[in-house]
Amino acid sequence: EAGVAQSPRYKIIEKRQSVAFWCNPISGHATLYWYQQILGQGPKLLIQFQNNGVVDDSQLPKDRFSAERLKGVDSTLKIQPAKLEDSAVYLCASSLGTHQETQYFGPGTRLLVL
Amino acid sequence: AQSVAQPEDQVNVAEGNPLTVKCTYSVSGNPYLFWYVQYPNRGLQFLLKYITGDNLVKGSYGFEAEFNKSQTSFHLKKPSALVSDSALYFCAVRDGNAGNMLTFGGGTRLMVKP
Repeated sequence: EAGVAQSPRYKIIEKRQSVAFWCNPISGHATLYWYQQILGQGPKLLIQFQNNGVVDDSQLPKDRFSAERLKGVDSTLKIQPAKLEDSAVYLCASSLGTHQETQYFGPGTRLLVL
Repeated sequence: AQSVAQPEDQVNVAEGNPLTVKCTYSVSGNPYLFWYVQYPNRGLQFLLKYITGDNLVKGSYGFEAEFNKSQTSFHLKKPSALVSDSALYFCAVRDGNAGNMLTFGGGTRLMVKP
């Protein structure tokens, strides 16, 4: 079974530029999550999708971050404009459902904002 | 609000010795508890989870964890450590009675020396 795919793996941009990350979940997984992991910290949930609907985006900085999952499969996370403090690893995860289900993580995208 | 504490930033153990990585949690409802491991430049890999039932949960790579409701703990253990177990370990909790958010601890770095 293929795991969660993410691209790109690394990205370096200057502040105020925009950037987008892509995620393809495990086949058949209805729920998709985006996390931000700042160096030395645990992952923090940014947004959760159930199929193509948003379940929880309470911790997403909506003035600069946006995410979509239009067809209920792939997802894109965008930052516009980026700030220095956005430097982090962005992890995508997926699960079959929500409640008791295990989340499976992709390799992440490491973003450096200069 | 739910939270997870991993009181040790780093745990050092000699190969062949038993290891314990500590985790305590706080939730309003029933806790769903998870352990993940992260190797350098990799995403999080699922090790084990407690949802209900037997307090001793067995997981991947010989790891196990014991749920202790009175002490609100879910410590990760392994009888005999391997050098290859050296990695970053994250404990996470979800409130089984409300919401879907998974909250992670700050992580504990395990160093197993030959």
